[in-house]
Amino acid sequence: QVQLVESGGGVVQPGRSLRLSCAASGFSFGIYAMHWVRQAPGKGLEWVAVISYDGNNEYYADSVKGRFTISRDNSKNTLYLQINSLTAEDTAVYYCAKVLDYGGHPDWFEYWGQGTLVTVSS
Amino acid sequence: DIQMTQSPSSLSASVGDRVTITCRASHDISSWLAWYQQKPEKAPKSLISAAINLQSGVPSRFSGSGSGRDFTLTISRLQPEDFATYYCQQYSSFPLTFGGGTKVEI
Repeated sequence: QVQLVESGGGVVQPGRSLRLSCAASGFSFGIYAMHWVRQAPGKGLEWVAVISYDGNNEYYADSVKGRFTISRDNSKNTLYLQINSLTAEDTAVYYCAKVLDYGGHPDWFEYWGQGTLVTVSS
Repeated sequence: DIQMTQSPSSLSASVGDRVTITCRASHDISSWLAWYQQKPEKAPKSLISAAINLQSGVPSRFSGSGSGRDFTLTISRLQPEDFATYYCQQYSSFPLTFGGGTKVEI
């Protein structure tokens, strides 16, 4: 069965960087686009970024563009999110999500990981 | 950006009730709409895609309808395990956007 396991969250000081990982199993990771979605404590869902199956196409929410970088290593079945210049507004649970699309086009989220919490605090 | 407006933001209901949640898009999104269920401290779970397509394993008491700008999620007979927060999401264009959520409480 499909499994998505995020890691890399924690408490980080403002201005620092963090890299989140999402280990995928139970499906052919290398043929699907993948997304990151976040949820601030007590708030709704916010889409963050998408990467195509081959890593050649990426799209970002305006709120993170220039600070976040999505990437993937298909040989390791792993998705990444590099987060730079963290601010308190980045405090959230970060979910990776699988879609049915391959090219990085708009899509709905078929499967979600359990999430990893990033807390930005001095 | 396409704004998604859900209503109500919360509702109280009893087991066995019929519950209806609405989602309105700021632009025509055809049928590019999904619904998710989220329980406290858990990841969202997909319920419906393409406005009306029930995902495998989702009970048939859940149904979706609508197209264009107006959509509905209906739970025909509310069960104890259905108390949760529900979100709609448009996937017509980037940025992908969600409704603000509807919390279904006892």
